[in-house]
Amino acid sequence: DAGVTQSPTHLIKTRGQQVTLRCSPKSGHDTVSWYQQALGQGPQFIFQYYEEEERQRGNFPDRFSGHQFPNYSSELNVNALLLGDSALYLCASSPSGGARTDTQYFGPGTRLTVL
Amino acid sequence: AQSVAQPEDQVNVAEGNPLTVKCTYSVSGNPYLFWYVQYPNRGLQFLLKYITGDNLVKGSYGFEAEFNKSQTSFHLKKPSALVSDSALYFCAVRPYSGAGSYQLTFGKGTKLSVIP
Repeated sequence: DAGVTQSPTHLIKTRGQQVTLRCSPKSGHDTVSWYQQALGQGPQFIFQYYEEEERQRGNFPDRFSGHQFPNYSSELNVNALLLGDSALYLCASSPSGGARTDTQYFGPGTRLTVL
Repeated sequence: AQSVAQPEDQVNVAEGNPLTVKCTYSVSGNPYLFWYVQYPNRGLQFLLKYITGDNLVKGSYGFEAEFNKSQTSFHLKKPSALVSDSALYFCAVRPYSGAGSYQLTFGKGTKLSVIP
């Protein structure tokens, strides 16, 4: 049973560019959350998608947007990249509509470097 | 808004000795509490969670955690540390309901080093 998968593994972009990161949830999971983990910090919540809608959003600017597809996979888009966007981006999936008692299972992450 | 504090950036323990990684939290209402472990250049791996019931929660790889409501703490413990336990440990909280209840709020992490 495959766990949460993310692509690409690594990505290098320059300031001002746009980037798209992809996530496939664990089999049987229908809810996807995205987190940003800066170097030496804990993950910070970006947003959560359920039923193809953004259900909750953290304290991130509108440059960060997302999408969830009918097969529950998800994309994270970041526009107008800044140096400060360099981080490990983690996707997490959970079952049952992301009920509050559910465990979120994380993928290996995408390492984004902005030059 | 909820928050998590992990007061120790690094914990060193000798192999075979008991280990404790500390976590305190702040949240409105009842908390859901989680521990995750992160190995270098890897994502987060779930260890255990407290939802309700017994204050002592047992998880993967021999880890356990004790929920203390009066001290708002959820310390991670293991009776006998292994070198392979060396990693970065994160405590996280979700509120039972209300704003922010779908997100995990993480501490900054504690680096555990088990010395052979």
